[in-house]
Amino acid sequence: EPEVTQTPSHQVTQMGQEVILRCVPISNHLYFYWYRQILGQKVEFLVSFYNNEISEKSEIFDDQFSVERPDGSNFTLKIRSTKLEDSAMYFCASSGGEGTVSGANVLTFGAGSRLTVL
Amino acid sequence: GQQLNQSPQSMFIQEGEDVSMNCTSSSIFNTWLWYKQDPGEGPVLLIALYKAGELTSNGRLTAQFGITRKDSFLNISASIPSDVGIYFCAGQRGYGGSQGNLIFGKGTKLSVKP
Repeated sequence: EPEVTQTPSHQVTQMGQEVILRCVPISNHLYFYWYRQILGQKVEFLVSFYNNEISEKSEIFDDQFSVERPDGSNFTLKIRSTKLEDSAMYFCASSGGEGTVSGANVLTFGAGSRLTVL
Repeated sequence: GQQLNQSPQSMFIQEGEDVSMNCTSSSIFNTWLWYKQDPGEGPVLLIALYKAGELTSNGRLTAQFGITRKDSFLNISASIPSDVGIYFCAGQRGYGGSQGNLIFGKGTKLSVKP
């Protein structure tokens, strides 16, 4: 079954350092997302990306965050200068098999990247 | 922003018991999704609901999209030990692209009765 792949599975970084989290979405999907989950809390939307641009972002997604699709397969989340409160699981998701309206609704999530900021 | 109220927050199950959980919202959603999350994993889709009033089953799981489009429930019949985990409801306002982002409930944690 097609899956969303995320790397690294766990990253530990010092406060103020830049972090890049990588995702390989399902190959024929068109919509890409980043979510985060602080330990023990609910999953929160960060940003959605379609047609090589951000289509929506939440208030969490401030100027310290950026996303990029550098090639045809990868989708990255960059945090420019990490803060302690950025420690969380970050989930990439994709949706939207071409030509399927209902497929556009169903997000498939990766296993997540755990970010620990010290 | 939009909030989903999911209940119960946690519950203990004994093998063979039926389980029920629900989500309510003050806003209308066009799609309701139910996900399960195991420790250290991402959410895995269980059931997707697209129409108000829709009742859908997936094995021992049954979910309904409320007629007002503001609520949904998930039932698990004859629970087994591997049902433990955290169940999240998620609402979606639109039909993809910029409308496709999900609003998640806070989750219902299923544990086995000691």
